[in-house]
Amino acid sequence: DSGVTQTPKHLITATGQRVTLRCSPRSGDLSVYWYQQSLDQGLQFLIQYYNGEERAKGNILERFSAQQFPDLHSELNLSSLELGDSALYFCASSVGQNGELFFGEGSRLTVL
Amino acid sequence: KNEVEQSPQNLTAQEGEFITINCSYSVGISALHWLQQHPGGGIVSLFMLSSGKKKHGRLIATINIQEKHSSLHITASHPRDSAVYICAVFWAGGTSYGKLTFGQGTILTVHP
Repeated sequence: DSGVTQTPKHLITATGQRVTLRCSPRSGDLSVYWYQQSLDQGLQFLIQYYNGEERAKGNILERFSAQQFPDLHSELNLSSLELGDSALYFCASSVGQNGELFFGEGSRLTVL
Repeated sequence: KNEVEQSPQNLTAQEGEFITINCSYSVGISALHWLQQHPGGGIVSLFMLSSGKKKHGRLIATINIQEKHSSLHITASHPRDSAVYICAVFWAGGTSYGKLTFGQGTILTVHP
């Protein structure tokens, strides 16, 4: 158990819908990272937050947004969903900004 | 373009063999991670390196900053080592600072 909690574990929805994925980091970790893993693209970095502020941005679509709340949990919002958004979405946390990473078990999103 | 290249993409070994997986990257980094992903999806961080060598049990990771190259070695491989091994780097500077880029992964299968 990494100490990072992601919910939901599985989510099935339809094209055009909006979903929210939630991540609770390990106790004491200030950084939260979001990654997408699809069959054709592998693991892709989406975005990083550190202590509530956005610190680095990767290949995150404009339809996607994220935030980190004062209690350090983070949410990834995916809107206007397309079939191609079907993927595993991982959250990871670390103490500092570029430290050892601890991964959640992922949220598997299926868009039908 | 900041890139991470892993080799080989697929690796099959017999139990007990010594295994090496390689990772090369294109520009300066602040840290390199080796990750393990088992079937079913969970990701575990094996090592974080910024210089030198680290050892944990039968796993050894090395990095050569000048040559922009890292290796992951598994001594006395075992079928339970079968997994996907992923190299990932935090870039050191410029517009890519703080972004994590992943290699494509190496699928390791160890036969009894």
